[in-house]
Amino acid sequence: DQQVKQNSPSLSVQEGRISILNCDYTNSMFDYFLWYKKYPAEGPTFLISISSIKDKNEDGRFTVFLNKSAKHLSLHIVPSQPGDSAVYFCAASATNDYKLSFGAGTTVTVRA
Amino acid sequence: DTAVSQTPKYLVTQMGNDKSIKCEQNLGHDTMYWYKQDSKKFLKIMFSYNNKELIINETVPNRFSPKSPDKAHLNLHINSLELGDSAVYFCASSQDLRGEKLFFGSGTQLSVL
Repeated sequence: DQQVKQNSPSLSVQEGRISILNCDYTNSMFDYFLWYKKYPAEGPTFLISISSIKDKNEDGRFTVFLNKSAKHLSLHIVPSQPGDSAVYFCAASATNDYKLSFGAGTTVTVRA
Repeated sequence: DTAVSQTPKYLVTQMGNDKSIKCEQNLGHDTMYWYKQDSKKFLKIMFSYNNKELIINETVPNRFSPKSPDKAHLNLHINSLELGDSAVYFCASSQDLRGEKLFFGSGTQLSVL
């Protein structure tokens, strides 16, 4: 059973516009959430994270929003750039559970 | 200077064979992992080791045997390969046991024919 779900397998956005990626989770014990970015033939790389005590975390063009009551988080990329074209994985973990649960990923394509 | 390196990058083999994938990290991390990315693209943890001690074994068939000679290395040996073992296998490391911020290798694409 997948506890982290990314229901949009792909997203196409014009350069300069906002990309919004969504992620839902089912395990109410999750208290830490991360986004990873993956280019073809490479491993995922850490992008941004958020603890459950916050509802927003910002790092440059990337902002993650957390809605605990809805068990939903989103990643906003503003403005989108061609180098942002990649697969984005949402991940979550619970305290004392030493593993990350990943979603299936969303492929973002930024059009020039 | 690659932080987490795994070899080989591609592995094509016949059913029934035994193969190994090697992983090394130069980050000084205490914890290392093997993840499997299946055909549905989910990344699922298989094993984790902390300072050479097995911490997580996620109901992986015992044909899969991880070995950690030291905390910088975690190898994966697979016996009697099956068609369903075809996947991309990623090695990763993290500074601590909680393993939230993972550093991944570039993956090994295993194809079992």
